[in-house]
Amino acid sequence: GQNIDQPTEMTATEGAIVQINCTYQTSGFNGLFWYQQHAGEAPTFLSYNVLDGLEEKGRFSSFLSRSKGYSYLLLKELQMKDSASYLCAVRDGSSNTGKLIFGQGTTLQVKP
Amino acid sequence: GAGVSQTPSNKVTEKGKYVELRCDPISGHTALYWYRQSLGQGPEFLIYFQGTGAADDSGLPNDRFFAVRPEGSVSTLKIQRTERGDSAVYLCASSPQRGAGYEQFFGPGTRLTVL
Repeated sequence: GQNIDQPTEMTATEGAIVQINCTYQTSGFNGLFWYQQHAGEAPTFLSYNVLDGLEEKGRFSSFLSRSKGYSYLLLKELQMKDSASYLCAVRDGSSNTGKLIFGQGTTLQVKP
Repeated sequence: GAGVSQTPSNKVTEKGKYVELRCDPISGHTALYWYRQSLGQGPEFLIYFQGTGAADDSGLPNDRFFAVRPEGSVSTLKIQRTERGDSAVYLCASSPQRGAGYEQFFGPGTRLTVL
């Protein structure tokens, strides 16, 4: 079966650091994506991991451990505009379509 | 360049009616995906096109749902005899290829409300 878990909601303070965790159990694996989605808008790409380790991209970093079925997204120097939903998605590896299997999303609220 | 566009942005219909949702992918992208997102949930895969053919329609919930991409560019998702449970945001995404490492670019979605 396919299962991707992430916390439903998180709250953090402007300027702080927040870590959003994602665990997955999928029948195949071909990479993990993080997307940001503001209310009423399209998901936008943040990061991609296919090998174990940390990928850093400005204020955002993403980590992957394939053996543990675990990833996290790290957001530094939080800004009010970072308030959004963060979606963890695994690229299906059991087929050859590249379709994404999403978690339910983590709603992050950044407070002043 | 232009991103993925979807029309209409909002569609309100009555139970039992037929609706069509349109997706214009990024020019040159061969892979096209439809997803459905219910309130408070992540997107769920519906169907995948590589070129003109539906390579994977395993996510379509039942035979009331159908999608086409006749010329390998624009795609239309068609829903017959709509039900209240079909109410959701329908997202379209395109990608240069289906292979590993290629991100999917999402459109703004069509919010479908079935009364």
